[in-house]
Amino acid sequence: SQQGEEDPQALSIQEGENATMNCSYKTSINNLQWYRQNSGRGLVHLILIRSNEREKHSGRLRVTLDTSKKSSSLLITASRAADTASYFCATPQGLTGGGNKLTFGTGTQLKVEL
Amino acid sequence: EPEVTQTPSHQVTQMGQEVILRCVPISNHLYFYWYRQILGQKVEFLVSFYNNEISEKSEIFDDQFSVERPDGSNFTLKIRSTKLEDSAMYFCASSVGSGARNYGYTFGSGTRLTVV
Repeated sequence: SQQGEEDPQALSIQEGENATMNCSYKTSINNLQWYRQNSGRGLVHLILIRSNEREKHSGRLRVTLDTSKKSSSLLITASRAADTASYFCATPQGLTGGGNKLTFGTGTQLKVEL
Repeated sequence: EPEVTQTPSHQVTQMGQEVILRCVPISNHLYFYWYRQILGQKVEFLVSFYNNEISEKSEIFDDQFSVERPDGSNFTLKIRSTKLEDSAMYFCASSVGSGARNYGYTFGSGTRLTVV
């Protein structure tokens, strides 16, 4: 599998439910980032978790990171229809001095139904 | 909330023509990037730019592509002779730091390039 693979590929839930998305990666990282993309729009940075962190919260978002398993999860609690979007994990690779390129996963398409 | 601004939002061009995609990164950011996303596919890295030079580029970023920061605010991507397979959404991004000073990237809303 490639760096940054999300699971599941698609997720459909009812409003108010929690949504959990998982990401696996292959190489060592110093941080992992989650982004949201509404259909046909730009990428919005949601949260960054560093390799020395195990869990991080931001509003209704909770991210975990397990470096021993090379995996991360994104939990969206009390989902809303407006959370409908594609969610990507991304890991920086490459040069530390010149700007790290992000390697994106294939994404999880989340649909929150009323 | 500071934004990365991209223009135009849509561009249709004939095969073989040159296009310039424009971006205004966030003013205190030091690192600039171009990514692209072909419809239905992953977001792919093209190039990173720091201290007025390319710091890294992907195999996609061949001689047909170039980047420039002509003044203190704009960051452009030029495709010299467009091909049908260049049709994609192109995203500009910037970040304040890298490595331990990486706080995430701010992406623009993209330019949808259609080559006909």
